[in-house]
Amino acid sequence: QLQLQESGPGLVKPSETLSLTCTVSGGSISSNKYYWGWIRQPPGKGLEWIGNIYYDESTYYSPSLKSRVTILKDTSKNQLSLTVSSVTAADTAVYYCARVNQVAGNPGLLDYWGQGTLVNVSS
Amino acid sequence: DIQMTQSPSSLSASVGDRVTIACRASQTISDSLNWYQQKSGKAPKLLIYGAFSLQGGVPSRFSGSGSGTDFTLTISSLQPEDFATYFCQQTYSIQYTFGQGTKLEIK
Repeated sequence: QLQLQESGPGLVKPSETLSLTCTVSGGSISSNKYYWGWIRQPPGKGLEWIGNIYYDESTYYSPSLKSRVTILKDTSKNQLSLTVSSVTAADTAVYYCARVNQVAGNPGLLDYWGQGTLVNVSS
Repeated sequence: DIQMTQSPSSLSASVGDRVTIACRASQTISDSLNWYQQKSGKAPKLLIYGAFSLQGGVPSRFSGSGSGTDFTLTISSLQPEDFATYFCQQTYSIQYTFGQGTKLEIK
């Protein structure tokens, strides 16, 4: 059974860099059948897609975050990482990593999720 | 980017009721529409993909329909475990976007 687990600091100061790791078990992030995404959810609000990283390590980021976000993968550790620079209170959210699948020609299916980790941006 | 608008934002219903949630895209997205269920404090769960295909393990009381710009999620007979928030997601554009959510509460 595939499992994803986010980890990282729960508190980040404004203007600093938020760094999170997603550890994947029960499957390899090297598989060319899937890609991997990060999504966030401010408290009490909706979901915002942050970006994806593909088999060949290419990435696509939400235009609204592109200048501040980096997604990487470490295949030796079976981990993904997310960094968001120059954070503000608006970046306070639960951050999720997810497997992105394609079934019967339908891309972008978030079929496995981590449990999420809350990051608070505050001084 | 493609905007997704759900209605209603919240809904009260009783066990056994038939419930419909709507999702409208700001431009045509063919059938590139997925639905997720999120319970309080938990990650979302994929229910339906490609507008009408049921994800494995999801009860058959859930169904989806629509294409183009207008879509619906229907729960044929509400069960206690269905009270949650539901989100639609478009994947027509690589810039995936979600609806704002519909909170389904017990009447």
